Amino acid sequence: NFMLTQPHSVSESPGKTVTISCTRSSGSIASNYVQWYQQRPGSSPTTVIYEDNQRPSGVPDRFSGSIDSSSNSASLTISGLKTEDEADYYCQSYDSSNQVFGGGTKLTVL
Amino acid sequence: QVQLQESGPGLVKPSETLSLTCAVSGYSISSGYYWGWIRQPPGKGLEWIGSIYHSGSTYYNPSLKSRVTISVDTSKNQFSLKLSSVTAADTAVYYCARRVGYVETNWGQGTLVTVSS
Repeated sequence: NFMLTQPHSVSESPGKTVTISCTRSSGSIASNYVQWYQQRPGSSPTTVIYEDNQRPSGVPDRFSGSIDSSSNSASLTISGLKTEDEADYYCQSYDSSNQVFGGGTKLTVL
Repeated sequence: QVQLQESGPGLVKPSETLSLTCAVSGYSISSGYYWGWIRQPPGKGLEWIGSIYHSGSTYYNPSLKSRVTISVDTSKNQFSLKLSSVTAADTAVYYCARRVGYVETNWGQGTLVTVSS
């Protein structure tokens, strides 16, 4: 098994850019796709990035994803922050038949 | 539009078995994809419990595998979760979801299950 480690919280001002990291503990980050989910309070998660860097239809291009093999991590970058982006964000990946979520990052837009 | 709806008891006693059902509308389970369960303890993060392929193949979180059974009933277009020997640590919001490729594309609204005597 592997773990995905995210910062507990990040904060930034409206209009700025924020990056949330997701570090894989073992195995290559590039060996399995990474997804990112947004969860607002009281709601079910929704996908903002899939397959490392793909955006579902309806997700603004302010959201982007990437992976960095040198640090064995994935990143979610949100530019032009809006107050509506305030939420919890979870990364997710796989290892054979096992699915793992990161611990989640609370984004505060203040 | 695919919709998923969880149902089941909101309160389960310690040591008993938690049973939930996910009713699917707008798509036939027998047509394909993975169908799974994910939970979220109050104030905490998401934890994958397991998934079932439309054909019946199952995949479970190794940390829960000894207590989990996921099954599918294509005649009712629903799938189910059973978690045995529950403790307070199993108190959580339980979500059912459809996976397309590597992504949980459709989620139920979630149902809170509390383990308490």
